[in-house]
Amino acid sequence: DAGVTQSPTHLIKTRGQQVTLRCSPKSGHDTVSWYQQALGQGPQFIFQYYEEEERQRGNFPDRFSGHQFPNYSSELNVNALLLGDSALYLCASSLGLGLTGELFFGEGSRLTVL
Amino acid sequence: AQSVTQPDIHITVSEGASLELRCNYSYGATPYLFWYVQSPGQGLQLLLKYFSGDTLVQGIKGFEAEFKRSQSSFNLRKPSVHWSDAAEYFCAAYSDNDMRFGAGTRLTVKP
Repeated sequence: DAGVTQSPTHLIKTRGQQVTLRCSPKSGHDTVSWYQQALGQGPQFIFQYYEEEERQRGNFPDRFSGHQFPNYSSELNVNALLLGDSALYLCASSLGLGLTGELFFGEGSRLTVL
Repeated sequence: AQSVTQPDIHITVSEGASLELRCNYSYGATPYLFWYVQSPGQGLQLLLKYFSGDTLVQGIKGFEAEFKRSQSSFNLRKPSVHWSDAAEYFCAAYSDNDMRFGAGTRLTVKP
């Protein structure tokens, strides 16, 4: 049973560039949430996708956008990168929208912005 | 505003000693409550969860947590810590399709 997979695991970008991170949810899951975890902090909710639509959004600017595909996989895009965007980006999958909230996490994509 | 607080940033315990990690939440109604563990360079793994019912919840790896409504707390405990328990621990609360995490407690285990 494949868990949540994320790619790439590490990447380095420079300020102003754009980045795309990818996530495949756990088998059987249909909901994908994205979190940003800065060094030494807890994960901060970015947004959640269900049925290919953004359902919930945290306090993040429009530079952060996403997409969910028919196979439930998802992408997170960040435009005009800032130094402060350096973080571990975690994808979490779950079954259904607004149910128990139990999340299964991938190992994350570590983004460094220089 | 809804929030989750973990008062201890860093805790050090000796191997074999007992452990308690604190978590407090501030919500209008009791949320669903979770504890996750994160090893270095890894994603988060669910240790246990509380939805309702018995206030003492058993999880994986010998962990348990006790929900106390009067104190708005959900503290994590383990009777005897192993060196492999060294990690970052996050308390989280879920309500109205919103999951919030505490800032985490880093656990160091001394030999």
